[in-house]
Amino acid sequence: RKEVEQDPGPFNVPEGATVAFNCTYSNSASQSFFWYRQDCRKEPKLLMSVYSSGNEDGRFTAQLNRASQYISLLIRDSKLSDSATYLCVVNMWGGGSQGNLIFGKGTKLSVKP
Amino acid sequence: EPEVTQTPSHQVTQMGQEVILRCVPISNHLYFYWYRQILGQKVEFLVSFYNNEISEKSEIFDDQFSVERPDGSNFTLKIRSTKLEDSAMYFCASRTTPNTEAFFGQGTRLTVV
Repeated sequence: RKEVEQDPGPFNVPEGATVAFNCTYSNSASQSFFWYRQDCRKEPKLLMSVYSSGNEDGRFTAQLNRASQYISLLIRDSKLSDSATYLCVVNMWGGGSQGNLIFGKGTKLSVKP
Repeated sequence: EPEVTQTPSHQVTQMGQEVILRCVPISNHLYFYWYRQILGQKVEFLVSFYNNEISEKSEIFDDQFSVERPDGSNFTLKIRSTKLEDSAMYFCASRTTPNTEAFFGQGTRLTVV
């Protein structure tokens, strides 16, 4: 049983394209949600938190649908520097859990000139 | 900007040897974690630590693993008798509360030969 599932990718897109990442999670008790990005052989870095109302940060928009247990990330006007692996992350806390992060396998994005 | 620091960046050890991976979390953070990532696989939770004790651990974190916060700044992961399958990138993370952004160190690449 996969707890956090993501599009397998890779996504190869031209500069300026819009790209969407999807993620589903299995545990309805999950409390909070994040998108992290990971460059090759580097640590995960927070891209954005995901809120029920949806949130936007510049070219990035994240959406959460708790009823469907679905999270998305949209990148508009993609840049070469957006090339990375995008990790969907679910945070478990409460009921004895102290903020255990559950990671998806990630979706690799390559933005080409 | 405050950051989580890990040492060493790369450790090569012989099978059966003990290794200690070191981390200095961000100074005002209270929750500490170890994760690992085997090459090509997802980031996996190992253990969480709060108030000087383990608060949660995964199935991976068996008797050969231990964690310690020997002083006010360091947080260590010890692997008592390394196996080939322990080869992975080990990430330390810290955060202020169990529901906020987790900051990751740059990782220690452990190679067991």
